[in-house]
Amino acid sequence: SQQGEEDPQALSIQEGENATMNCSYKTSINNLQWYRQNSGRGLVHLILIRSNEREKHSGRLRVTLDTSKKSSSLLITASRAADTASYFCATGRQHYGQNFVFGPGTRLSVLP
Amino acid sequence: DAGVTQSPTHLIKTRGQQVTLRCSPKSGHDTVSWYQQALGQGPQFIFQYYEEEERQRGNFPDRFSGHQFPNYSSELNVNALLLGDSALYLCASSFWGIPGTNTEAFFGQGTRLTVV
Repeated sequence: SQQGEEDPQALSIQEGENATMNCSYKTSINNLQWYRQNSGRGLVHLILIRSNEREKHSGRLRVTLDTSKKSSSLLITASRAADTASYFCATGRQHYGQNFVFGPGTRLSVLP
Repeated sequence: DAGVTQSPTHLIKTRGQQVTLRCSPKSGHDTVSWYQQALGQGPQFIFQYYEEEERQRGNFPDRFSGHQFPNYSSELNVNALLLGDSALYLCASSFWGIPGTNTEAFFGQGTRLTVV
C-alpha cells in the first residue's frame, strides 16, 4: 500500500481562488516534500518540510505538517491557470539519501 | 547549473528487447534514484545508487538493473521488456547527506518508454 495518499484526487477551481490539497501517510517520517508535475513531464520540487516543522511558506505556497495526525496540506493562494498540474506529496523516511514513497497525486485544474 | 538531465526523452522498443536509460545528476549531488510512473499514478521507487553501489531497492524484478559511474551519472537497464514496462521513467538526484539532515531531491524531465 502507498505511504502517501493525496486528497482530493481531483480539484477544479476558478482563477484567483485558493486551492488546498491534503496528504496523509502511515509511518513516521523525517521529512515531507511536495512536487508539481505538468502533463506527465518531470516533477518540479516545490517545498520541503521537516518533521520538526509545522508550517513553511514559499511565495504563494503554504505547507503545514501535523505529525500527530500523519498529515500535511498544501495551500496555493490566488491560483493561476499556470498552476494547473498534478501535485504529489512524497514522504522521506531515510536518514541517508532520499528514497520517496509517493501518493497518486491531486489533479488541479484552474479555470480562467 | 543544468539540473538533472535524462536521455533519451522518448523511446519505443519491442517486447523482449533491452533498453538503457541515462541520467546525469544535479551539480553537487552524489545520489541517484530511479522511479517508474505509470499513466495516472504516482512514481514508484525502483532503486537508488550511491558511491557506485545499489543502496536501496523497491519492489521491482531483477530485469531492472542499474549502474552508477564515478562522475555520479547513472544508467537504468531493463531486460526482456514487457508491455507493462511502458511508463515514464524518472531520475532523481540528491545529496546522501549527514545523519539527521534532510535535503531536497530534484527530478529530471523523464524518459517516456513505450513497449510495443
